[in-house]
Amino acid sequence: AQSVAQPEDQVNVAEGNPLTVKCTYSVSGNPYLFWYVQYPNRGLQFLLKYITGDNLVKGSYGFEAEFNKSQTSFHLKKPSALVSDSALYFCAVRDPGGANNLFFGTGTRLTVIP
Amino acid sequence: DAMVIQNPRYQVTQFGKPVTLSCSQTLNHNVMYWYQQKSSQAPKLLFHYYDKDFNNEADTPDNFQSRRPNTSFCFLDIRSPGLGDAAMYLCATDLSDRARNEQFFGPGTRLTVL
Repeated sequence: AQSVAQPEDQVNVAEGNPLTVKCTYSVSGNPYLFWYVQYPNRGLQFLLKYITGDNLVKGSYGFEAEFNKSQTSFHLKKPSALVSDSALYFCAVRDPGGANNLFFGTGTRLTVIP
Repeated sequence: DAMVIQNPRYQVTQFGKPVTLSCSQTLNHNVMYWYQQKSSQAPKLLFHYYDKDFNNEADTPDNFQSRRPNTSFCFLDIRSPGLGDAAMYLCATDLSDRARNEQFFGPGTRLTVL
């Protein structure tokens, strides 16, 4: 079975500081991993994905994520947080060898404090 | 711009009164999904279409049905809404059923049941 865990419900960071939103996964084979962001009363927006290749993946709005196979993690990072980054962030996984469904974590609410 | 459109953005219905939510896409994607998302929780997949092939999740209540009359449109029908069905309903599309693709989400319809 495949699953995703986001251990932090809430992350607070000061504007201009680096931010990290954590994600760990469980999947039988090599995972396909995704990050989405959701602003209030809006749908999910795709940020970035890891399929294969370089472990460091760069995405939209200056976000990046590092795939770590040994730690089964795919943490989302940004060097300098903006107030406008405040939103709900979802990590998701797909098992290329199993059902094609996208499994979401429970989400992490990021608040960037001015 | 190619996009996923959901109408209406906000829907209010009465307990037990049938309601239909609409989704359209200009991406010409083969796959369309319906998710239910309750109060900042992870989106929960209800069902999806690959072209005309309908795939229902095992735990989706019979109260929820879907129609896809053509590639561009997909509808979510809730036959007898209960208070527990109040949620954000998200439509998403995917080019194909390849696990490496990201899904594209609409802005969502927030359903209130009185």
